[in-house]
Amino acid sequence: AQKITQTQPGMFVQEKEAVTLDCTYDTSDPSYGLFWYKQPSSGEMIFLIYQGSYDQQNATEGRYSLNFQKARKSANLVISASQLGDSAMYFCAMRGDNNNDMRFGAGTRLTVKP
Amino acid sequence: EAQVTQNPRYLITVTGKKLTVTCSQNMNHEYMSWYRQDPGLGLRQIYYSMNVEVTDKGDVPEGYKVSRKEKRNFPLILESPSPNQTSLYFCASSLYPVETQYFGPGTRLLVL
Repeated sequence: AQKITQTQPGMFVQEKEAVTLDCTYDTSDPSYGLFWYKQPSSGEMIFLIYQGSYDQQNATEGRYSLNFQKARKSANLVISASQLGDSAMYFCAMRGDNNNDMRFGAGTRLTVKP
Repeated sequence: EAQVTQNPRYLITVTGKKLTVTCSQNMNHEYMSWYRQDPGLGLRQIYYSMNVEVTDKGDVPEGYKVSRKEKRNFPLILESPSPNQTSLYFCASSLYPVETQYFGPGTRLLVL
C-alpha cells in the first residue's frame, strides 16, 4: 500500500529565509509521481511542483524546489526567500503508475514571521 | 478559463436527507476524483474515475456513490448522510492519472 508521511505538523520561518518541509513516502510501484500542494486559509488547493520518479534532476518552479532522494524515499519541499503570503498548509501527495488512487500526507502548517 | 467547478460551496443538511454535490470540468480531462479533508488527516480519496462509466473506490468510499455519465461531470451522492460525513469535499481532475490534478474550490458540508 502507498503511504505518505509528513512529520511536521507546524513550522515557523522568518521572512526572506529558506524553509524545508519534509515528506517521506512508501510504495511498491517502480514508477510514481510526487506532488506538493499549497492550501491557503481561503481553502483552495494550489498545485506547486511535480517530480516523476524517473526524473534525473530535482524539480524546480520559481522559489519552490523539490529535494528528491529516491533511495531514502523522501521528497522534501524547499521554499527559498519566504514571503508572508507563503503562510499556508502544505500537502505532499503521491500516485503510483500502477495505482490510480492518490495519497496525501496529513499536511504541514507553515507560518512566515515578519 | 480552464477550471473545475463544484456546487454547492456550502451545505447544511440533516441526517438521512439525500444530497448531491456536482462537479464539472471544462478541460476534457479523463481522470476525475473526489476527496474529503478532515483536520489532521489530510485529503483522503473517496472515489475516482478513469473515464466515462469507469469508476473505482478510493480510500474511504463508504456512504458515498458516484457516477460518470459524461466526461465533464462527476457528481458525488450521499444517499443517507450522517454526521461523520461532515467535512470539506474537493473534486479534482487531470488529463491522465499521473498528471497534475486541478482542484475545485471545495464544498463545505455540515450534517446535523
